Amino acid sequence: GENVEQHPSTLSVQEGDSAVIKCTYSDSASNYFPWYKQELGKRPQLIIDIRSNVGEKKDQRIAVTLNKTAKHFSLHITETQPEDSAVYFCAANSKTSYDKVIFGPGTSLSVIP
Amino acid sequence: DTGVSQDPRHKITKRGQNVTFRCDPISEHNRLYWYRQTLGQGPEFLTYFQNEAQLEKSRLLSDRFSAERPKGSFSTLEIQRTEQGDSAMYLCASSLVGAMGEAFFGQGTRLTVV
Repeated sequence: GENVEQHPSTLSVQEGDSAVIKCTYSDSASNYFPWYKQELGKRPQLIIDIRSNVGEKKDQRIAVTLNKTAKHFSLHITETQPEDSAVYFCAANSKTSYDKVIFGPGTSLSVIP
Repeated sequence: DTGVSQDPRHKITKRGQNVTFRCDPISEHNRLYWYRQTLGQGPEFLTYFQNEAQLEKSRLLSDRFSAERPKGSFSTLEIQRTEQGDSAMYLCASSLVGAMGEAFFGQGTRLTVV
């Protein structure tokens, strides 16, 4: 069935350094890949998404890259700040199942001041 | 607040009791999703609706779980004969069909089965 894997499960970086989170997906027909940020006790919120007709997208300090051949995509956060500390979830839509969105298990990012 | 709202925010129930949660999506959104999230895990898909039609129900979901969206607006999720393993955060999200746009999440209902 559909599956999204995510690595690493935890990540600690010094403030100002970059953080990279990687995901793989199983449905080769997937064409929408959102990333969500969830702060402690709060709801997941979309921070950036990418569609399969592009290979990279940037929004200020956040960028996503997509490799459809290899079925993997990554989130890059540059110049990390303490407020970036949260759990990040990658996701992919399932074209075999009405476009439902399947989430990865999450990466807990800690930015150390 | 014009976002997705869920009620109640917290529910403590005894094992074996039935519980029902409500989700009010963003008014113009025709897709509504239910997810379950346990500590340290990503949201796990439970079921979803397009308007009033239930498109899919997770194979992992037991028959004790049922969801409805009778008029294509709000939705309810019922768990019958609750078990301790049902303790989790139940998240509702809504989006527009066909737009592959952002799914907006509600604050969730935290269920504790004692």
